[in-house]
Amino acid sequence: EAGVAQSPRYKIIEKRQSVAFWCNPISGHATLYWYQQILGQGPKLLIQFQNNGVVDDSQLPKDRFSAERLKGVDSTLKIQPAKLEDSAVYLCASSSHTLAFFGQGTRLTVV
Amino acid sequence: DQQVKQNSPSLSVQEGRISILNCDYTNSMFDYFLWYKKYPAEGPTFLISISSIKDKNEDGRFTVFLNKSAKHLSLHIVPSQPGDSAVYFCAASDNAGGTSYGKLTFGQGTILTVHP
Repeated sequence: EAGVAQSPRYKIIEKRQSVAFWCNPISGHATLYWYQQILGQGPKLLIQFQNNGVVDDSQLPKDRFSAERLKGVDSTLKIQPAKLEDSAVYLCASSSHTLAFFGQGTRLTVV
Repeated sequence: DQQVKQNSPSLSVQEGRISILNCDYTNSMFDYFLWYKKYPAEGPTFLISISSIKDKNEDGRFTVFLNKSAKHLSLHIVPSQPGDSAVYFCAASDNAGGTSYGKLTFGQGTILTVHP
């Protein structure tokens, strides 16, 4: 069984630029999560989807972050415009009924 | 507001000895607790979990203990091996009776180093 796929693995952008991350969850997993992990901290939930609907986006900075999961499968997370403090690893996870499985993450560096 | 705390940023142990990683939480609504292991440049991988109705769960070399009254859990690794060297995250879920444990609140992580 293939795992959660994320791309790109690494991204370096200048502040005020925009960036997008892509996630392909494990086949059949209805629930998809985006987490942000800042260096030295644990992952923090940004948004949770159930199929193509948002379940929880209370911790998503909506002035600059957006996410979508249009067909209930793949998802994209966008940051526009990026700030220095957005430098982090962005992790995508998916789950069916129990545990969440994480992708390798996208490491974003904003300079 | 750090609801899950791992107060030890790092732990160093000798191969073959016991590793004990600790975690404290403040939210009484948490009903499921998990430990994830993370190697560099990889995503977290599930290690072991425990429901709030239990006080111990064992899986091979790994045992998790839960003390609800103290809001404290710990992960014991016996015997420790060099391949166990990684970052260990404690995580908690407020599942409210559901069946999905992916909405997690994580601690800051503890870097475990096991020396040969």
